[in-house]
Amino acid sequence: AQKVTQAQTEISVVEKEDVTLDCVYETRDTTYYLFWYKQPPSGELVFLIRRNSFDEQNEISGRYSWNFQKSTSSFNFTITASQVVDSAVYFCALSESTTDSWGKLQFGAGTQVVVTP
Amino acid sequence: GAVVSQHPSRVICKSGTSVKIECRSLDFQATTMFWYRQFPKQSLMLMATSNEGSKATYEQGVEKDKFLINHASLTLSTLTVTSAHPEDSSFYICSAKGDSYYGYTFGSGTRLTVV
Repeated sequence: AQKVTQAQTEISVVEKEDVTLDCVYETRDTTYYLFWYKQPPSGELVFLIRRNSFDEQNEISGRYSWNFQKSTSSFNFTITASQVVDSAVYFCALSESTTDSWGKLQFGAGTQVVVTP
Repeated sequence: GAVVSQHPSRVICKSGTSVKIECRSLDFQATTMFWYRQFPKQSLMLMATSNEGSKATYEQGVEKDKFLINHASLTLSTLTVTSAHPEDSSFYICSAKGDSYYGYTFGSGTRLTVV
């Protein structure tokens, strides 16, 4: 079963619009970590954020913000006032703490964000 | 800190030949390294996990004899694609994890094209 679901395949916005990327995860562990990565066309993965399961505080970093809700198993990501440079594929990922899963990142399918001028 | 160097960034090889991809942690000791494969417009799929000095653990469906992984030191892991075929063409990316913090550092990836 897919552990990380990113239902939005592609989102297109015009520059300066806000865009929210959804991420729903599934785990039985009480200790786990959630991540967001950006993958521009060049291919490298750019780390954006890591959240552990015990920290439900929302986080803001510049134009980026994250909403972690354990009650709905969601870890959504919002880009405020989008820019063309935000165009990329964004991945949500989960790392669980069970012995055979420890350290492995399970990625969602990714959401392609296209920002047009 | 926490830099991982992966090379080559691109490689084109003939069908039937072998290709080696290197992943080096430059400023930390990578006790565990992960190798992922990504087909165009798809997500990253974990191929194997390697711990320094021990045999790699492969995910279900990944051929061990085809994708040889060596993690001989705390700073170097290699992935060798043996007898490559066009269907092995993909983007391969490594990730290294050290003990000092719970984070992952990714290499910049290798785009393999088998012709």
